Amino acid sequence: GAGVSQSPRYKVTKRGQDVALRCDPISGHVSLYWYRQALGQGPEFLTYFNYEAQQDKSGLPNDRFSAERPEGSISTLTIQRTEQRDSAMYRCASSALDREHEQYFGPGTRLTVT
Amino acid sequence: GQQLNQSPQSMFIQEGEDVSMNCTSSSIFNTWLWYKQEPGEGPVLLIALYKAGELTSNGRLTAQFGITRKDSFLNISASIPSDVGIYFCAGQLTSGTYKYIFGTGTRLKVLA
Repeated sequence: GAGVSQSPRYKVTKRGQDVALRCDPISGHVSLYWYRQALGQGPEFLTYFNYEAQQDKSGLPNDRFSAERPEGSISTLTIQRTEQRDSAMYRCASSALDREHEQYFGPGTRLTVT
Repeated sequence: GQQLNQSPQSMFIQEGEDVSMNCTSSSIFNTWLWYKQEPGEGPVLLIALYKAGELTSNGRLTAQFGITRKDSFLNISASIPSDVGIYFCAGQLTSGTYKYIFGTGTRLKVLA
């Protein structure tokens, strides 16, 4: 079946603008994760959803970052008032019930804030 | 953010050689995962380890969950050119959560 998809794949925005990044998990996967990956580094956890419930948002850097998954499927990561330091690859991953550790990653959205 | 230490940082090896890499932490982990990432792609899960001392294989790959629960090892036997990529370990710090801490990565290049 189809894997995790993310859109847009690339986003260039000006400092101060808001951006919304979308993740479409593998069909039927109940768990969804957002990560940020700097060039040459491993993914850094941002937040985790179980169905529509956001169960862990401890990795969100500050209150400009928020995420939602209203119907337990597609998720949106929103960054308000973007800053240059927000530039990174944002990756989404999903996993199935009872196999939560086996996360499947999407291709990511490359965000560049100018 | 917090990251696990992986070594070596990079490796250049000849095709056919075996490869060993490890991941260490000062904290105890409940689960260890090993991922491979190729350029322009997301990480792909290779092996998952769930208990101390566990040794698990996936083809030419073998990984072990360290007895102390503070480390994990990945071995690749008889390397081939398509093994090229960045290998990341990831650890689950606290049982009952799904927050994973990723390692700094080992960059592998295989010379044909």
